[in-house]
Amino acid sequence: GESVGLHLPTLSVQEGDNSIINCAYSNSASDYFIWYKQESGKGPQFIIDIRSNMDKRQGQRVTVLLNKTVKHLSLQIAATQPGDSAVYFCAENIEWESYIPTFGRGTSLIVHP
Amino acid sequence: KAGVTQTPRYLIKTRGQQVTLSCSPISGHRSVSWYQQTPGQGLQFLFEYFSETQRNKGNFPGRFSGRQFSNSRSEMNVSTLELGDSALYLCASSLEQRGGYNEQFFGPGTRLTVL
Repeated sequence: GESVGLHLPTLSVQEGDNSIINCAYSNSASDYFIWYKQESGKGPQFIIDIRSNMDKRQGQRVTVLLNKTVKHLSLQIAATQPGDSAVYFCAENIEWESYIPTFGRGTSLIVHP
Repeated sequence: KAGVTQTPRYLIKTRGQQVTLSCSPISGHRSVSWYQQTPGQGLQFLFEYFSETQRNKGNFPGRFSGRQFSNSRSEMNVSTLELGDSALYLCASSLEQRGGYNEQFFGPGTRLTVL
C-alpha cells in the first residue's frame, strides 16, 4: 500500500495500551479542529472534531483535548488495537471564514500485537 | 454509496511531461478539493471547485491547474513536470463547503512519480 512518508514522528505502542498523539497548531485565531486517520493505501478519514468553545470531546475509544492557551491538541486512543496503526493528522480551521483546513505534519502510530 | 474514486492510482512520468489526474466525487457532492501530499511538506491544499468554478486556490505555481465538469467530476493537470512534483495527489469531496464545517471525504490518491 501507499506510505505517507519517512519523515514523520512515530509513536509505537503495545496492543491494549492507551495512545496519546499530540499536535501543536499554528494560528491562534483557529476555532475548529479536526483529527484525521490515514491508513496505508487510503486517503485521510475524519475521526473526531472539536470547536474552540470546548476543552474536551469524546468519541468511541477516542478523546480530543484542546488547550488554547498553548495552542495544543491531543488525540487519546483507548485500548489501542492493531487496526489503529496509521498516520494521524490534526487540522485547524477558522470556521465561517474558510472551509479549507490547514493540516499538520502527522504522526505515525504503530501498534504491536 | 460509492466513495471518492481517483484514476489512475499510480503514474510514472519524466521531467517536462504533463499529466492529468481524475477524480469522481461521491454522488451528490458538489465540492471537490485537491491536495498534494509529500513527506517533506505534508498535506498541502491545491484548489477547490464548486459548480464548475474554482472557489479557492492554494499557493502553487500556475503549472498546476484544474477543472470541474457539470457532473462534478474533476481533473487536475500538471504541466512541465519537475522532480519535486512527485507526490500523492488526493482528491476530497463534500456536499458543500461554505462556512461551517462540511466533512471532506478523501479518495485513495494518485501516486505520481517524476523521473
